[in-house]
Amino acid sequence: AQKVTQAQTEISVVEKEDVTLDCVYETRDTTYYLFWYKQPPSGELVFLIRRNSFDEQNEISGRYSWNFQKSTSSFNFTITASQVVDSAVYFCALSGPNTGNQFYFGTGTSLTVIP
Amino acid sequence: GAGVSQSPSNKVTEKGKDVELRCDPISGHTALYWYRQSLGQGLEFLIYFQGNSAPDKSGLPSDRFSAERTGGSVSTLTIQRTQQEDSAVYLCASHHGANTGELFFGEGSRLTVL
Repeated sequence: AQKVTQAQTEISVVEKEDVTLDCVYETRDTTYYLFWYKQPPSGELVFLIRRNSFDEQNEISGRYSWNFQKSTSSFNFTITASQVVDSAVYFCALSGPNTGNQFYFGTGTSLTVIP
Repeated sequence: GAGVSQSPSNKVTEKGKDVELRCDPISGHTALYWYRQSLGQGLEFLIYFQGNSAPDKSGLPSDRFSAERTGGSVSTLTIQRTQQEDSAVYLCASHHGANTGELFFGEGSRLTVL
């Protein structure tokens, strides 16, 4: 079965703190894709990153970084020096060829950055 | 168009009425998805279209919900005899059909059933 778990429902941090959002996935596929999306208060989901199962290199994009570890089936997302504009709901998702391209979303983590 | 377009952006209806929500995906995207997001909740999968294949309707919550996709492009989600619990934001997303791409989401249609 395909499943994505985001155990953190809500997180609050003070501006400039670092914060890590956890994502744990389950899949029997050897080829799969992991995603993170941001949903700001305006409502539209914004794509942040895609990672395929064969690439375990961590990625950094500005203040954002992602840690993909197949050994623990995790794809965690860290925001460094958080800003108020980072306040949003963040969703982790899983897809793959053996799921008929179905996307499985976690329940989201609501991040509030306090000024 | 440049992105996924949904209409109407807001719809208020009375309980028992039928509503239609429209999604215009990104040109050339063969896959189209409908999700429902209730206030403060995650994304609930409703239905998925891929090319000419039979749609995956496994997420539709009841037989009051249906969707079609004409000509492999525009999709309409229809909710018959609306109930108050149908109030939510209905999100459409499209995908080019290969396994390497991400979903592109529209801004959603906010449905309020009085």
